[in-house]
Amino acid sequence: AQSVTQPDIHITVSEGASLELRCNYSYGATPYLFWYVQSPGQGLQLLLKYFSGDTLVQGIKGFEAEFKRSQSSFNLRKPSVHWSDAAEYFCAVGTSYDKVIFGPGTSLSVIP
Amino acid sequence: DAGVIQSPRHEVTEMGQEVTLRCKPISGHNSLFWYRQTMMRGLELLIYFNNNVPIDDSGMPEDRFSAKMPNASFSTLKIQPSEPRDSAVYFCASSLEVTRQVGSYNEQFFGPGTRLTVL
Repeated sequence: AQSVTQPDIHITVSEGASLELRCNYSYGATPYLFWYVQSPGQGLQLLLKYFSGDTLVQGIKGFEAEFKRSQSSFNLRKPSVHWSDAAEYFCAVGTSYDKVIFGPGTSLSVIP
Repeated sequence: DAGVIQSPRHEVTEMGQEVTLRCKPISGHNSLFWYRQTMMRGLELLIYFNNNVPIDDSGMPEDRFSAKMPNASFSTLKIQPSEPRDSAVYFCASSLEVTRQVGSYNEQFFGPGTRLTVL
């Protein structure tokens, strides 16, 4: 069965520091992978997606993610975090048509 | 565009009462999704519609939950009777499905959610 794990429930980083959020997936075929961000009191917004091709994917707000098939991972990175990046981040895998399965989320806090 | 609109934003009700959540998708979108988010279970897909037709309702927890989409611009999620364990944030999302084939994913746009508390 398809599943997504995000090992880190909560991460705290200093503003300006680099960030990496981990995501591992389980899926039998070629995965379709997503990262969403949820700001407090808001719905989810798509940061980036991977369908095929280049394994390094660029997204909005300066985020990128790298697909590593051998590790079943799709980690999200940002070289320099801003205070406004504090939010909940969800990794997701697409299963069929438009259905996606979301991971449990990682809460990011940013220290000024 | 105003984005996906959900109402109410907050709902507090007593156990046994009927609750109706409403969603207006982005104009022109033809797919609509209802999700439930809780601390224990995370974000779960309850049901999704394509061209107003329910395609997959396997995520609907039980018969107390029902969803309708009478037209392309409106959907409801109803809980009757409500129970305390239904307390959660309910999200509606919509997308424009251009091609209908496995692997053709279309970005989902989420509404702000309805926070439901059942006492």
